[in-house]
Amino acid sequence: AQKVTQAQTEISVVEKEDVTLDCVYETRDTTYYLFWYKQPPSGELVFLIRRNSFDEQNEISGRYSWNFQKSTSSFNFTITASQVVDSAVYFCALSSSGNTPLVFGKGTRLSVIA
Amino acid sequence: SQTIHQWPATLVQPVGSPLSLECTVEGTSNPNLYWYRQAAGRGLQLLFYSVGIGQISSEVPQNLSASRPQDRQFILSSKKLLLSDSGFYLCAWSNPETGYGYTFGSGTRLTVV
Repeated sequence: AQKVTQAQTEISVVEKEDVTLDCVYETRDTTYYLFWYKQPPSGELVFLIRRNSFDEQNEISGRYSWNFQKSTSSFNFTITASQVVDSAVYFCALSSSGNTPLVFGKGTRLSVIA
Repeated sequence: SQTIHQWPATLVQPVGSPLSLECTVEGTSNPNLYWYRQAAGRGLQLLFYSVGIGQISSEVPQNLSASRPQDRQFILSSKKLLLSDSGFYLCAWSNPETGYGYTFGSGTRLTVV
């Protein structure tokens, strides 16, 4: 069975600090896809990134970066120089083939304090 | 480009009343469609998913049901709402050929009173 674990329930940081959100996954599939979503207070789920299991290159998008390590089954998300607008719940998710429902972690609530 | 529409945005319904939430996708054909629920302060729970018209897979036994009458339309229903049905309902789609998508609608916040 597939499983996604986000051990950090809540994180609070001061603005401009860097913060890393952890995500550990379990799957027996050799092909799978990993996702990160942001859920601001408005509730909608905003897609951040999709990464397939064959691509272990780290990705950077502005202040956001993702570290995918198959050896430890982790797909961690780092926000550099955090801002108040980054305050949200962040979800990590897994799909076995890109054609099946997403399995979500329980989410990490990030609070960035000015 | 593909867009997903979900309505209504908010809904307050009495216990025992029926429910119908609708989700439609534009800009794609034969999508996989999904209904998720998020209870207050909780994670996302998959309720139903569909790989084609009339094909519905249920993940959680409950008093909810789903239907897909058209290729890009997905409906979540209940004949009699329970208090425990309160939550935030999200619809999503994915492209079964490319694996891309997994985009969510803006959600429906349901309060059963």
